[in-house]
This record gives sequence, C-alpha cells and structure tokens, in this order.
Amino acid sequence: AQKITQTQPGMFVQEKEAVTLDCTYDTSDQSYGLFWYKQPSSGEMIFLIYQGSYDEQNATEGRYSLNFQKARKSANLVISASQLGDSAMYFCAMREGYTGANSKLTFGKGITLSVRP
Amino acid sequence: GAVVSQHPSRVICKSGTSVKIECRSLDFQATTMFWYRQFPKQSLMLMATSNEGSKATYEQGVEKDKFLINHASLTLSTLTVTSAHPEDSSFYICSANPGLAGYNEQFFGPGTRLTVL
Repeated sequence: AQKITQTQPGMFVQEKEAVTLDCTYDTSDQSYGLFWYKQPSSGEMIFLIYQGSYDEQNATEGRYSLNFQKARKSANLVISASQLGDSAMYFCAMREGYTGANSKLTFGKGITLSVRP
Repeated sequence: GAVVSQHPSRVICKSGTSVKIECRSLDFQATTMFWYRQFPKQSLMLMATSNEGSKATYEQGVEKDKFLINHASLTLSTLTVTSAHPEDSSFYICSANPGLAGYNEQFFGPGTRLTVL
C-alpha cells in the first residue's frame, strides 16, 4: 500500500490566486513528520514546510501553509498568492519515527503545478 | 541552514565504465546520508542509507554490487555506479540532516545527472 498518495493530475493556477495540493498518508506510527518539497526544472529539492504529528497548529511558512487533518490522514499544501516562480513539481513526504537525522523519507509521486500569468 | 553539495553535477560516460558521485555535507557532520534515484517525471526512490563507518543499508531491489556506497567520513559519502549501462541513466540525489534540534528536514544536494551512452 502506498504510504504517501498524491493523486491530482497536473494543476494549473492563475497568478496571484491560491492553490491547494493534496496529500494523504498512511502510517501506524504515532510519531511521524510530514514534509513538502518543491522541485523546479533544475532538479534541486527545496524544502517548503514541515508538520510534526504532535503539532496541534497547522504549520505556516510565508505563503505556504499545511492543512493538517490528522484523523483524515491528510496534509494538504496551500500556496497563497501564486507566483510564476511557483511553477514546479511538488512532493509530499513522510518520515516515520521521531528523530530527523537517521529517518528516511518516503515520497509521493509528486504533482506538477503550472502558474499562468 | 545546512548545505549539501554533490559532485559532479552532470556526467556522461560510456557503457561499461564506473562512475563515482560524491555527496558532502559542507557545514555539518552527518553520520547518515541517503541516496535517491529519480527518473524523469517520477518521484524520488530511496536507494540506500549510507552510514558513516559501517555498511550501507540498501532498499529492496537495489543491487549492492552495482551501486557501491562508501561513507568514510562524517562529511562525505560516495556512490559508485559500477559497469554502468544505459538503464542506469538517471538523476541521483543525496540528502542529510545535521541531527540537531530544530532541523527536521532533510537537506538535499543539487543532484547528479548521469547519462550512460
């Protein structure tokens, strides 16, 4: 069974509008971490936002926010005020367990976001 | 933040040759590093976990003798693709985490694009 599911086809959004990228996950661990990374065409992986399983507040980082619904096992990324530079591949990932350094990430298949001027 | 570098960024080689890719943590020590492989338009697939001073842990289906990993110091892990063939052409990317409080995310290198002719 997939641990991270990203099922949306390629997404399009108008510049300056908000967009939500969906992510659901599956784990039996109580402690886990959820991440979103952006990958532009250059290939680099850019960290966007992190949500710990015990965090009660939804994480926010500038224009990025994570809509964490634990009971539904979803961790959707919301990008507000989209910019042309937001056009990229976006990956949702999960770390099972509490520690960061030695715990591997499992990635979803990703979703391509295109921002229209 | 923490910086991870990779070298080379791009390599083209003939079928049958071996290629070494370096992953360095520039401003922190990393007892563990992760190696991923990514085909075009696909997700990152974990190949192996590189452990300083000990053997790497390979994911199921990854050939240990094909993808040799050496983590000889706290700042350097190398991936050697032995007897490379065209099907090994891919984007190889490494990651690491400082293991310090406040560092939840994996920091990724810029990746190495391997083309085997």
